[in-house]
Amino acid sequence: SAVISQKPSRDICQRGTSLTIQCQVDSQVTMMFWYRQQPGQSLTLIATANQGSEATYESGFVIDKFPISRPNLTFSTLTVSNMSPEDSSIYLCSVVRVGTDTQYFGPGTRLTVL
Amino acid sequence: AQTVTQSQPEMSVQEAETVTLSCTYDTSESDYYLFWYKQPPSRQMILVIRQEAYKQQNATENRFSVNFQKAAKSFSLKISDSQLGDAAMYFCAYRSAMRGFGNEKLTFGTGTRLTIIP
Repeated sequence: SAVISQKPSRDICQRGTSLTIQCQVDSQVTMMFWYRQQPGQSLTLIATANQGSEATYESGFVIDKFPISRPNLTFSTLTVSNMSPEDSSIYLCSVVRVGTDTQYFGPGTRLTVL
Repeated sequence: AQTVTQSQPEMSVQEAETVTLSCTYDTSESDYYLFWYKQPPSRQMILVIRQEAYKQQNATENRFSVNFQKAAKSFSLKISDSQLGDAAMYFCAYRSAMRGFGNEKLTFGTGTRLTIIP
């Protein structure tokens, strides 16, 4: 598996502000994804982070709300913009290593919006 | 679109006993992957086991094994000799074997919370 880190691990934010979450992997990966897990719920894919190009968003998620960057093969950021209490969730990045078909997850970022 | 169903929101088992968690899925594809992930209170999603649909042999990882019934679209997880550290949410997930156009994404079930009784 890959070693995946996320920063911050948790944060408490005020309504209307933005938070950027970082995901760093210790080796090159083919794909990176961002998921949201609302309280007591399963995981929902937000978008696929594409290296050097715009992310591919799932239905119900838009770039203005969740801008994503992936400047290289080992790093990606997810920004949660103009936050509201409904954005309170765990945000997880996942990766697929070169030569595999399995997704491995980062430790997650627990976001609380007041 | 593929769907994954976990019909057991909660399960409990005595320590050292065996428990089986159920998962069914719906797909029109013939080649795909199925996974079980574990999420303890620490919230880290941990891969438990992986099954490739074209393989008839059921996957096994130590105390964890699956019963993969392709025709029935069923993928249950058996945990033998349950330990306190097995307590967690367990998610079943599906992934297409096709590449590109978003096929690599995982579709998750709603999860089963497993409690281990000492």
